Amino acid sequence: DAGVTQSPTHLIKTRGQQVTLRCSPKSGHDTVSWYQQALGQGPQFIFQYYEEEERQRGNFPDRFSGHQYPNYSSELNVNALLLGDSALYLCASSLINEQFFGPGTRLTVL
Amino acid sequence: GEDVEQSLFLSVREGDSSVINCTYTDSSSTYLYWYKQEPGAGLQLLTYIFSNMDMKQDQRLTVLLNKKDKHLSLRIADTQTGDSAIYFCAGGGSTLGRLYFGRGTQLTVWP
Repeated sequence: DAGVTQSPTHLIKTRGQQVTLRCSPKSGHDTVSWYQQALGQGPQFIFQYYEEEERQRGNFPDRFSGHQYPNYSSELNVNALLLGDSALYLCASSLINEQFFGPGTRLTVL
Repeated sequence: GEDVEQSLFLSVREGDSSVINCTYTDSSSTYLYWYKQEPGAGLQLLTYIFSNMDMKQDQRLTVLLNKKDKHLSLRIADTQTGDSAIYFCAGGGSTLGRLYFGRGTQLTVWP
């Protein structure tokens, strides 16, 4: 059984560009959460999707948006990239009380 | 929201026990988690404890929860060099809800 997968692994963008990150949840999981982990910090919650709707949102601007598809896979979109958006973006899928994380996408904004 | 605090560094000798500590502010956290992160990797769920429990043991891992003091600890018995990693404490207020993470404790195990 594959765990949570994310693509791409690494990404380099320039300021002002837009980026889309993708996540496939663990088999049987219907809830996907996205986190941003800056260097040397713990992950910060961006938002969570369930039944194709955004269920919870953290303290992130509207430049961060997402989507969940009927097969439960999810995308994170970031518009008008800033240097401060450089981070590891983690996707987590949930079942009952456990959140399982993917390997992350390392985004570098130049 | 919730604040989660952890000491940043811990060094131990191989074969010793490691104890990583965490304090949290929100007493309504329903579950408390420990995750492990190796360099360049995502987070691996190690164990979690329900807020009405005092202790949970899982092989070499023991989690202790002092709800009165809002203090959580993770003890790793017989620590190995492969245990070297960053360990994150996280609290969650409800099932499947958002997690609040500490900054992580860098555990270094010396041979």
